[in-house]
Amino acid sequence: QKEVEQDPGPLSVPEGAIVSLNCTYSNSAFQYFMWYRQYSRKGPELLMYTYSSGNKEDGRFTAQVDKSSKYISLFIRDSQPSDSATYLCAMRSSGYSGAGSYQLTFGKGTKLSVIP
Amino acid sequence: SQTIHQWPATLVQPVGSPLSLECTVEGTSNPNLYWYRQAAGRGLQLLFYSVGIGQISSEVPQNLSASRPQDRQFILSSKKLLLSDSGFYLCAWSPTGAEGYTFGSGTRLTVV
Repeated sequence: QKEVEQDPGPLSVPEGAIVSLNCTYSNSAFQYFMWYRQYSRKGPELLMYTYSSGNKEDGRFTAQVDKSSKYISLFIRDSQPSDSATYLCAMRSSGYSGAGSYQLTFGKGTKLSVIP
Repeated sequence: SQTIHQWPATLVQPVGSPLSLECTVEGTSNPNLYWYRQAAGRGLQLLFYSVGIGQISSEVPQNLSASRPQDRQFILSSKKLLLSDSGFYLCAWSPTGAEGYTFGSGTRLTVV
């Protein structure tokens, strides 16, 4: 079983729809959870950063973590064509991975298209 | 504010040729630096990371090497490129490694 599973999509929705993106993971040591947005031919940019279980909201974006189910979600409300991108989840444990670095484990990304 | 620069944006190199990709960070000191490769269907693969000058940790034994000659400079190199080295190479940094990473704009390398 892979450490982080993420449906690659593609996911196509009409403008204004609510989008739900999800990742599951197997490592119960993961404590910190992130969502990155990556436009085509660009580097990923950090969207949301959360610790442990619960919800975090930032504008149209809501990140949700359910550690008991090992499941994280990113919700996008009132989706816009500019939200069309690949969304990657990432996570890490609270401890060092060795040599002084906290290492992230990434999902493979879900490609989202928002149709005008 | 902190910025990360990565160049070149695109590179086409013949098999067997050398490679040098450079990454620099501005506006911070002693950052953690990372090199990732992103290939279609394989996600982000951590290649190297560095917590200080001259300190390099390798995650994947392969045809590549990394160096950190200055505090905010991270270089990815190869003596002889293979076809399998093609991909999208990303440099990233974080203040201590505990935060989310900030990525550069990437270099798309095609080995022909």
